[in-house]
Amino acid sequence: QKEVEQDPGPLSVPEGAIVSLNCTYSNSAFQYFMWYRQYSRKGPELLMYTYSSGNKEDGRFTAQVDKSSKYISLFIRDSQPSDSATYLCAMSFNSGYALNFGKGTSLLVTP
Amino acid sequence: GAVVSQHPSRVICKSGTSVKIECRSLDFQATTMFWYRQFPKQSLMLMATSNEGSKATYEQGVEKDKFLINHASLTLSTLTVTSAHPEDSSFYICSARGNGVNTEAFFGQGTRLTVV
Repeated sequence: QKEVEQDPGPLSVPEGAIVSLNCTYSNSAFQYFMWYRQYSRKGPELLMYTYSSGNKEDGRFTAQVDKSSKYISLFIRDSQPSDSATYLCAMSFNSGYALNFGKGTSLLVTP
Repeated sequence: GAVVSQHPSRVICKSGTSVKIECRSLDFQATTMFWYRQFPKQSLMLMATSNEGSKATYEQGVEKDKFLINHASLTLSTLTVTSAHPEDSSFYICSARGNGVNTEAFFGQGTRLTVV
């Protein structure tokens, strides 16, 4: 079993829709949870950074962490075509340490 | 956020040759750098972790003699793929973090290596 599982998609939604992306993990020692956006042939760009359980909101993005279920989510409200990218979840045992990534979910927002 | 510059962005080389990839932190001192590899439609896989002035720590299954990592200064780390083969073709990405307890790691733009 891989430590971080993420459905690769692709996920296609119309512009303005609410997008829900999620990951599950197996190692309860993970403390830091991140979501990255990656455009084709580019390095990952950090979107959200959360410590332990709870919710965090930043503009149109909301990250949720449920450590009891080992489940994390990223919600994108009012999705835009420019949100089309691959979204990677990542987690680590300590802040700034090497990250364990999911495979990434490919998202396409159609006008 | 801080800037990490990775060069080159893409490189094509012949089988058997060596390729060097540079990763620079432009506006902070990177005490730790991480090198990842990403195959198509796969997640980023950690190859090695390097601390400035120390030997790199390689993940299981990564050949240290094939993937040479040098982190000689606080702003530069290099990954050299020696005697490259077509199966080494991949997307290589570095990330760098500074000193401190809650310090985020920033990613470079990645290098697309194609070995022909």
